[in-house]
Amino acid sequence: GNSVTQMEGPVTLSEEAFLTINCTYTATGYPSLFWYVQYPGEGLQLLLKATKADDKGSNKGFEATYRKETTSFHLEKGSVQVSDSAVYFCALSENDYKLSFGAGTTVTVRA
Amino acid sequence: GAVVSQHPSRVICKSGTSVKIECRSLDFQATTMFWYRQFPKQSLMLMATSNEGSKATYEQGVEKDKFLINHASLTLSTLTVTSAHPEDSSFYICSARALPQTSGGTPLPTQYFGPGTRLTVL
Repeated sequence: GNSVTQMEGPVTLSEEAFLTINCTYTATGYPSLFWYVQYPGEGLQLLLKATKADDKGSNKGFEATYRKETTSFHLEKGSVQVSDSAVYFCALSENDYKLSFGAGTTVTVRA
Repeated sequence: GAVVSQHPSRVICKSGTSVKIECRSLDFQATTMFWYRQFPKQSLMLMATSNEGSKATYEQGVEKDKFLINHASLTLSTLTVTSAHPEDSSFYICSARALPQTSGGTPLPTQYFGPGTRLTVL
């Protein structure tokens, strides 16, 4: 079956630091990969996605590249801000319908 | 952007009672809504998929008589936890899938998520 494993948190870092959250997946076919973000008190929001191997998704300074050879979709941001404090979820979908999520990584950015 | 609301955001009830959670798409029509359950420090687990006007499709291991889902309109789905017990305590999250844009506009993401409902059964 499909599964997603992402880096355990919590992650605490200072403003302008580099952020990386590792995500690896297991899938029977060729899934689409997603990163969702949940800000305090809000619902999950799509941050970025990639639909095929070597695609790079990017949004709000975050990037992730679909690596089929390593079955990974690591999230990175070069310089984080306090406003990036949130819970980040890696997810996959094989038919853009049902999503399989990782456990979530809580990120706290200190000023 | 598209907004999905859930009500209530938090509920505490006694064991044996039933609890209803509402999920509404506020500014778009949703042919499909999804219900997830999240345990502390764990993944969101899909419980069921509900389509407007038809019976919900439950994931393996989810009791449909325990978790009743109704999707009566294109903007509202409800999850009723019947005869709740302490092991049903969890964070319940819904999401709504928007109808595709027919002309103009920006393609919408697949799903929009509600903020979740924290259920505590004493």
